[in-house]
Amino acid sequence: EAGVTQFPSHSVIEKGQTVTLRCDPISGHDNLYWYRRVMGKEIKFLLHFVKESKQDESGMPNNRFLAERTGGTYSTLKVQPAELEDSGVYFCASSIQGYEQYFGPGTRLTVT
Amino acid sequence: RKEVEQDPGPFNVPEGATVAFNCTYSNSASQSFFWYRQDCRKEPKLLMSVYSSGNEDGRFTAQLNRASQYISLLIRDSKLSDSATYLCVVNNPDSSYKLIFGSGTRLLVRP
Repeated sequence: EAGVTQFPSHSVIEKGQTVTLRCDPISGHDNLYWYRRVMGKEIKFLLHFVKESKQDESGMPNNRFLAERTGGTYSTLKVQPAELEDSGVYFCASSIQGYEQYFGPGTRLTVT
Repeated sequence: RKEVEQDPGPFNVPEGATVAFNCTYSNSASQSFFWYRQDCRKEPKLLMSVYSSGNEDGRFTAQLNRASQYISLLIRDSKLSDSATYLCVVNNPDSSYKLIFGSGTRLLVRP
């Protein structure tokens, strides 16, 4: 069974530019999550989808971040415009139900 | 105070040693507890869920003490391949699916 996949694996952009990250969950997993780890900090929750609906977006830092999951399959996370403090590793995870979440390899975002 | 606290380590142990990691969490209403393992520049991988009665998976044993809000992970007969960062994770009781991560404990197993 294929795991959670994320694209791109790395992205380097300049401050003020836009970046879109993509996550493909494990097939059949209705729950999809975005997390982020910034340098020297713990992994932090950003938001949670059930199918195409946002269940909890309490961790989204501000309105420069927009997550979508059209059709309830893959999800995108767009940062516009990017700021220096947005640099970090963005992880996507998915689960069937309950709490055992399986993580993708992450996208390492560097904003210069 | 952090919601999940762990000793950052590193723990440097020889192969074959037994090593224990501890973790405390601040919200007594948390209901789900996990240990994840993270290798350098990789994603967290679920190692095991932690149940109230304690549970064992091969060389790994996890314990939960709700009264003390304390979780532990014991690794017996350490292997070189156990070298990694071990993340203590609990759920946020206000939003069941939201996981709260500790900063991790680094383990180095030497030959």
